[in-house]
Amino acid sequence: NAGVTQTPKFQVLKTGQSMTLQCAQDMNHEYMSWYRQDPGMGLRLIHYSVGAGITDQGEVPNGYNVSRSTTEDFPLRLLSAAPSQTSVYFCASRQDRATGGYTFGSGTRLTVV
Amino acid sequence: QKEVEQDPGPLSVPEGAIVSLNCTYSNSAFQYFMWYRQYSRKGPELLMYTYSSGNKEDGRFTAQVDKSSKYISLFIRDSQPSDSATYLCAMGASSNTGKLIFGQGTTLQVKP
Repeated sequence: NAGVTQTPKFQVLKTGQSMTLQCAQDMNHEYMSWYRQDPGMGLRLIHYSVGAGITDQGEVPNGYNVSRSTTEDFPLRLLSAAPSQTSVYFCASRQDRATGGYTFGSGTRLTVV
Repeated sequence: QKEVEQDPGPLSVPEGAIVSLNCTYSNSAFQYFMWYRQYSRKGPELLMYTYSSGNKEDGRFTAQVDKSSKYISLFIRDSQPSDSATYLCAMGASSNTGKLIFGQGTTLQVKP
């Protein structure tokens, strides 16, 4: 049982480059979210999805795109990387509204230079 | 003002102490509340989930919600060095949206 799998674990980008952070879950969870974690800022919601084909913006969506074509996958795209996007990114999933909290992946550490 | 406020600490206690961690919030629509534990360079893991007001106990951990005061707490009894981590509160307004808002996190150190 893999849970929530994030790849890559580490990435260094140059300013202006684009990339996709991958997130996959094998628990058939409906809800998935992307968070970024910065020192002293806690976890901030970037985008979330309540099911395949349905996504919405969180607190800090600018500079990021998401799509949810399948229940299992929820990739996060950085369109044109900026140093301000240097952070640790976490993907999380949750079964449905009757179940408890989110299960988190192990994170992707992204540095933009 | 942030929707969820949490004292970042750090909080240092001796082994065996009772630890109290707290969060306040401003959005009266929040209905469900969670506590996560995060070890260094790891993802958060769910400790406690509660819906509405009241207490919930799980082993050495007790979660308390006071919606009238917009205040939630996590108590750790007989704290252990292995409890040293960052504790994050999280809450949501509706279980339909899946949108969860986190506090800043409190760093706890339990000294042997």
